[in-house]
This record gives sequence, structure tokens and C-alpha cells, in this order.
Amino acid sequence: DIQMTQSPSTLSASVGDRVTITCRASQNINNWLAWYQQKPGKAPKLLIYKASSLESGVPSRFSGSGSGTEFTLTISSLQPDDFATFYCQQYNSYPWTFGQGTKVEIK
Amino acid sequence: VQLVESGGGLVKPGGSLRLSCAASGFIFSTYTMNWVRQAPGKGLEWVSSFVSSGSYKYYADSVRGRFTISRDNAKNSLYLQMNSLRAEDTAVYYCARRESAFDVWGQGTMVTVSS
Repeated sequence: DIQMTQSPSTLSASVGDRVTITCRASQNINNWLAWYQQKPGKAPKLLIYKASSLESGVPSRFSGSGSGTEFTLTISSLQPDDFATFYCQQYNSYPWTFGQGTKVEIK
Repeated sequence: VQLVESGGGLVKPGGSLRLSCAASGFIFSTYTMNWVRQAPGKGLEWVSSFVSSGSYKYYADSVRGRFTISRDNAKNSLYLQMNSLRAEDTAVYYCARRESAFDVWGQGTMVTVSS
């Protein structure tokens, strides 16, 4: 199985900060990497697919980059609505696996 | 475009439950459909997928042999039959559509396994 490791697990930031979350895969996933945002009590929301493609309707302050085994989600200027937990997911091969999550908290 | 799960509830260890996911607003038969779960306070765990083309089914090791995924394209519905339930199966179960990735999610249905 492909293991997905996110860092950091928790991140404290202020509105307007540039935020970066890293996701590392245990093997090459050919850029089949997605990022999701989840708020308490809600279903996850797709932000980025195929490592760097922005899902329709998602603000342009979110961006994804990386290839092979190392990937990054960047929020260029953190907004109040962005405080949430973020997950990466590989869908290169079954079993599809998620990272453990990164909680972005208010500093 | 909408997914609505139902069928969750409280069940005793060793019991069974059948979850349903009703889809609307898209051509259900053409999409790979999935179940993802989230234990209380924990992260996301992929459970099972039903590939539209070829009718392939995939399961996480944690549920293989106990859970069965199925779909009825005529009813635009996805199902998850869960048998031999364990305490560690307690979670919110989400139905999700795979387009680019999991682009549409239901609101989730809670399954609690407890005596």
C-alpha cells in the first residue's frame, strides 16, 4: 500500500499569511494526488486534483505543486474561511490512501 | 448534483447494516462511486469503490470479506452492505463520486457499533 505522510500535523497562522502543507508518498504516484479541505461536521471539499489542477469554484489563492513523491498545497494569503483540516490523497493505485491531515488553526 | 446517504444507526458488534446513497443531477452509471469513512476525531479512510466500466469492485483490507459494495444504475443508487460489524467500524460513512478525484460528496451517515 502507498503511505501518504503530511506535514505539519498542526499549523498556527494568521489571516494574510502564506501557508504551505507538504505531502509525501511512499512511492511514485504519477501526480495522481488530490487535496481536500474539511470543516468540522462537514464533508470534505475537493480543492486540487492531479497535483496542480484547481477544482472549479475554488479560490485562486489555493495552489498545488510537486511531482513523483513530493507534493505541496499552498494558500497564498490565508483567509478567515480557510481555517480547517486539509488532507492529501493518492489515487494512483488501490487502496487509495489519505494523509493523516493538517489542521490549520488561528494564531 | 447531489449525493444523499441513509441507513446509518446503532448496531451491536457482529450485527449488520446496509447503507444507501441516492444520486441525482448527473449520469450515475458513468461514474466510479466510492465509500469513505471517518471515525470520530480521526482522518479519512477509503473503504470501497465500484468502477463503472467493467464493474470492478475494490475494498480496503480492513473491510474485505465483511463489506460488499453494490449499485443499481436504474435507481441511481449505491449501497454498502456491512456484516460482522466491529467497534472499529464506528464512523461517519460518506458516499463520493470520482470524476477528477472525489469531486462530489454526500453529507454522511453515522454508524455506531456498540453493545
